[in-house]
Amino acid sequence: AAGVIQSPRHLIKEKRETATLKCYPIPRHDTVYWYQQGPGQDPQFLISFYEKMQSDKGSIPDRFSAQQFSDYHSELNMSSLELGDSALYFCASSLDVSGNSPLHFGNGTRLTVT
Amino acid sequence: GDSVTQMEGPVTLSEEAFLTINCTYTATGYPSLFWYVQYPGEGLQLLLKATKADDKGSNKGFEATYRKETTSFHLEKGSVQVSDSAVYFCALSDRKAAGNKLTFGGGTRVLVKP
Repeated sequence: AAGVIQSPRHLIKEKRETATLKCYPIPRHDTVYWYQQGPGQDPQFLISFYEKMQSDKGSIPDRFSAQQFSDYHSELNMSSLELGDSALYFCASSLDVSGNSPLHFGNGTRLTVT
Repeated sequence: GDSVTQMEGPVTLSEEAFLTINCTYTATGYPSLFWYVQYPGEGLQLLLKATKADDKGSNKGFEATYRKETTSFHLEKGSVQVSDSAVYFCALSDRKAAGNKLTFGGGTRVLVKP
């Protein structure tokens, strides 16, 4: 079965640089979520989109922005990177926004900021 | 706000031992409850879910029952295998919230020794 695809798998950037993470949801899933997982931490919700509109916002820094495109893929743009941004970034998708529809996660993008 | 509390790890067991990971939650609405598993270097995989009180989720020998009276969703497995070594996350989705975002517990690392 098709899964959530994230690219790249690994990314190394220097401080103050920018990064773009991409997420391709499972076909027919119209809702996308972004999570950040620091080392040894639980995933923290950043932002979500439903039908290309932002549906919820969590602890996403102002330096980050995201959008969902007409084909439902999503991109997380990160600017002025800081060392503390080093983390695993997960994208997830779900069939709808109801609480009964589980989130399916990608394998994540590991961002290292040096 | 919503929160999930789960027992801290690591939990170290011998193969074929009984596993219990405690999880309790706080939510303002009527959440759906989930257990996700994360194997080393991989993304989060949905293990099981329950969407209403007294529902029992089960998968791969794991079980968890939605207990509204004790606000708990403890994960159990009768006989663990080495391949069950992973980090387990309890999570809830408050269906009152837009976007179906998940709130995770802190994760419990399980190590099963041969």
